[in-house]
Amino acid sequence: DQQVKQNSPSLSVQEGRISILNCDYTNSMFDYFLWYKKYPAEGPTFLISISSIKDKNEDGRFTVFLNKSAKHLSLHIVPSQPGDSAVYFCAASAQGGGADGLTFGKGTHLIIQP
Amino acid sequence: DTEVTQTPKHLVMGMTNKKSLKCEQHMGHRAMYWYKQKAKKPPELMFVYSYEKLSINESVPSRFSPECPNSSLLNLHLHALQPEDSALYLCASSPFSGNEQFFGPGTRLTVL
Repeated sequence: DQQVKQNSPSLSVQEGRISILNCDYTNSMFDYFLWYKKYPAEGPTFLISISSIKDKNEDGRFTVFLNKSAKHLSLHIVPSQPGDSAVYFCAASAQGGGADGLTFGKGTHLIIQP
Repeated sequence: DTEVTQTPKHLVMGMTNKKSLKCEQHMGHRAMYWYKQKAKKPPELMFVYSYEKLSINESVPSRFSPECPNSSLLNLHLHALQPEDSALYLCASSPFSGNEQFFGPGTRLTVL
């Protein structure tokens, strides 16, 4: 049973426009959410995170929104750049502390078109 | 030093071989992790070490044996693997009090 779901396997966005990647979760114990970017044959690179006590976190071109009642989060990238083309994973952890493993979604392949 | 390093980058082994994967971080992180990632799938947690002690083992077969010799090093010993164990093996670390996990580049393992 998938606890973290990314229902869009791929997303194509024009350069300069906004990219919106979505993620849903089912486990109410999750209290910390992260987005990672991954290129082929490399490890995931941490992008941005959000605690369940917040509903928004912003870092440069990246903003993550959390809707706890809907168990939904989204990553906004604006403006989108060609280097943003990669697979984006949503991940979640329960009970914080950093000593729990992460549960990942299946990923969304973002393609930025020139 | 703000990175996690893994060696080797690639490894090909037979089903009767014994090999080890190594992971190192010098960020003072006290939690370290092994994940396995198959093609077009998300990373899946295998083991968690907290303060050099194994705290989580996600029902991983005994042919995978983790070891944490000190707070900077994490090994994964491999023995009698199967072809279906071929995957990208990722190491990660995090500050014990934080949640962000920082990943290494991975070891691409092929079992023949």
